Amino acid sequence: AQSVAQPEDQVNVAEGNPLTVKCTYSVSGNPYLFWYVQYPNRGLQFLLKYITGDNLVKGSYGFEAEFNKSQTSFHLKKPSALVSDSALYFCAVRAPGEAGGSYIPTFGRGTSLIVHP
Amino acid sequence: EADIYQTPRYLVIGTGKKITLECSQTMGHDKMYWYQQDPGMELHLIHYSYGVNSTEKGDLSSESTVSRIRTEHFPLTLESARPSHTSQYLCASSVTRTGFNEQFFGPGTRLTVL
Repeated sequence: AQSVAQPEDQVNVAEGNPLTVKCTYSVSGNPYLFWYVQYPNRGLQFLLKYITGDNLVKGSYGFEAEFNKSQTSFHLKKPSALVSDSALYFCAVRAPGEAGGSYIPTFGRGTSLIVHP
Repeated sequence: EADIYQTPRYLVIGTGKKITLECSQTMGHDKMYWYQQDPGMELHLIHYSYGVNSTEKGDLSSESTVSRIRTEHFPLTLESARPSHTSQYLCASSVTRTGFNEQFFGPGTRLTVL
């Protein structure tokens, strides 16, 4: 079975400071990892993914995430936070379908990011 | 323009009514999903489809049903709405092809059952 943990319900950061939103996972085989962002009254928007290759993945809006296999983590980061980054962030994992795993991703509970002016 | 659409965006309806939430995508994706989400909370998978004439129930027990007669269309039906169905419903799609895998989400339908 696959699972995702986002240990923080809420992260508060001042504008201009670096931000980190944490995610750890459990899955059989090599993971496919995703981050999504959700603004109020909207659907989720894809931010970035790790499938294979370089452990540091760059995505939309200046976000990046680092895949750490030994710590089974995929933390989302941004060097300088903006007030407009305030939103709900979801981490997701799934096993590669080619390995017999389900194509259905498992989502974390979400982390609310609040960036203060 | 390739996109995923949901209608209606907002729906207020009385108990016992039958409703259908529409979801269409123009990206040719084979996989489609329905999630239920209370505002600001986690997503719960209620239905998914791997392709035409394929539908499966998700992790969350739901009294809704779905159909997949056409690749682009994945409607969700509640035969008899109840106040406990009040929630946001998100539709998503994805394609299994090298370099892809992420899901694309619609804007959601906010359902209120009185």
